[in-house]
Amino acid sequence: QVQLVESGGDVVQPGRSLRLSCAASEFSIRSYGLHWVRQAPGKGLEWMAMISYDGSNKQFAESLKGRVTISRDNYENKLFLQMNSLRPDDTALYYCARARDYDAFDLWGQGTMVIVSS
Amino acid sequence: QSVLTQPRSVSGSPGQSVTISCTGTSSNVGAYNYVSWYEQHPGKAPKLIIYDVTKRPSGIPDRFSGSKSGNTASLTISDLQAEDEADYSCASYAGNYIYVFGAGTKVTVL
Repeated sequence: QVQLVESGGDVVQPGRSLRLSCAASEFSIRSYGLHWVRQAPGKGLEWMAMISYDGSNKQFAESLKGRVTISRDNYENKLFLQMNSLRPDDTALYYCARARDYDAFDLWGQGTMVIVSS
Repeated sequence: QSVLTQPRSVSGSPGQSVTISCTGTSSNVGAYNYVSWYEQHPGKAPKLIIYDVTKRPSGIPDRFSGSKSGNTASLTISDLQAEDEADYSCASYAGNYIYVFGAGTKVTVL
C-alpha cells in the first residue's frame, strides 16, 4: 500500500546527533516535495523542513536552521533528516509527510520517536 | 508556541455542528489560500481532511467544510459523530517554502 515509514528514532544524550530515515512504498517520491514535521509529547505539530522533488530547494524552520539538514535519495525512494546538537526539547515524534503540492501534506508516516535525555 | 492560534478544545453533541478557528497573520493565513486541516486520533498519524481552505480530499465526508475570512480560517464539522472525536490542527503556507501549524484543538463529542 502507499505509505511512508520512518525509522532511526532512538534515545540519545544531549549534544549528540541522529539521522532519521523515511522510506516510501508503492509510489515514487521523485515527483513529490517532502517534509519533516514533529510533535512533542502532548503538544501540537511543528513543521521542521522541506525538500523539493529534485532536492534543489530546501527550507527549514527558523528555530532549527544550522542544526538540521534534509536530504533525499530518489533512487532508493527515501528521505532523510540529520539532526545535530540535540537538546531535551527535541524530544518528539518525528513524521515525514508528502507534499500534495505547495498547499498541504497529503500522506503521513506513523512517526519515529526521538528522546533526548542524559 | 505555535504560530497559528486555535482554541484548546470544543465540544458538541451528536448531530450538532462545531466550528474550530485558526487565526494567523497577513503573512500566512491572510496571504495565501493554502490553509489545510488535519484530523489526528490518539496514537495515530495526522490525516488531511481539508486543503486549499475549502477542498476535501477523496473519501472525506462533506460534513467537514472549511472557510477563511481575513487572517482567520475555520473548520466546521456538521452532523457531529462519535468518530469525529479527535484533535484537529490547521496549517498554512507562509511563503518561501515555509509552513506553520496551529497547536491543535481537541473535539469532544458529548
